[in-house]
Amino acid sequence: QKEVEQDPGPLSVPEGAIVSLNCTYSNSAFQYFMWYRQYSRKGPELLMYTYSSGNKEDGRFTAQVDKSSKYISLFIRDSQPSDSATYLCAMKTGNQFYFGTGTSLTVIP
Amino acid sequence: DGGITQSPKYLFRKEGQNVTLSCEQNLNHDAMYWYRQDPGQGLRLIYYSQIVNDFQKGDIAEGYSVSREKKESFPLTVTSAQKNPTAFYLCASSIVAGGPYNEQFFGPGTRLTVL
Repeated sequence: QKEVEQDPGPLSVPEGAIVSLNCTYSNSAFQYFMWYRQYSRKGPELLMYTYSSGNKEDGRFTAQVDKSSKYISLFIRDSQPSDSATYLCAMKTGNQFYFGTGTSLTVIP
Repeated sequence: DGGITQSPKYLFRKEGQNVTLSCEQNLNHDAMYWYRQDPGQGLRLIYYSQIVNDFQKGDIAEGYSVSREKKESFPLTVTSAQKNPTAFYLCASSIVAGGPYNEQFFGPGTRLTVL
């Protein structure tokens, strides 16, 4: 079993839709949770980070962590064609980072 | 303008040749990492270094070598022993001090193709 599981998609939604991206994990030692966005042939860029259970909001993006269920989510409101990318979840314990395989998202105008 | 630079963006190699990928950061980060990204497999850790002159093998270190002579630089050599080197290579860095609550930042990547 992988440490971090992420549905690879692909996910296709119309512009303006709410998008939900999810990851599950098995290691209860994970302390820090991150979401990255990666455009084709580019390096991942950090979108959101959080270390506590609950919700963290930044503009159209909300990161949610449920440590009891070992489940994290990224919600995108009012999705735009520019949100079309691969989204990677990442988790950290100590100085080790663990990544999901990424979910490919396409927002159709 | 702080960040991580990788060069070259595209690299072509003949079978049997060693090639070196460059990674430089001016973020004053202690730790640097090399990942390989293949379609459908996510990021796989090759090597990482938390301090100058010290580095550790990741999950897929065979066929690769690194050095960390300066804090800013962490070059990766893909040797002829790497059986399937065609991939997208990503360099990253992060702060070490301050415990686990530090993010990782990535460079733009180098796409290596073996001909």
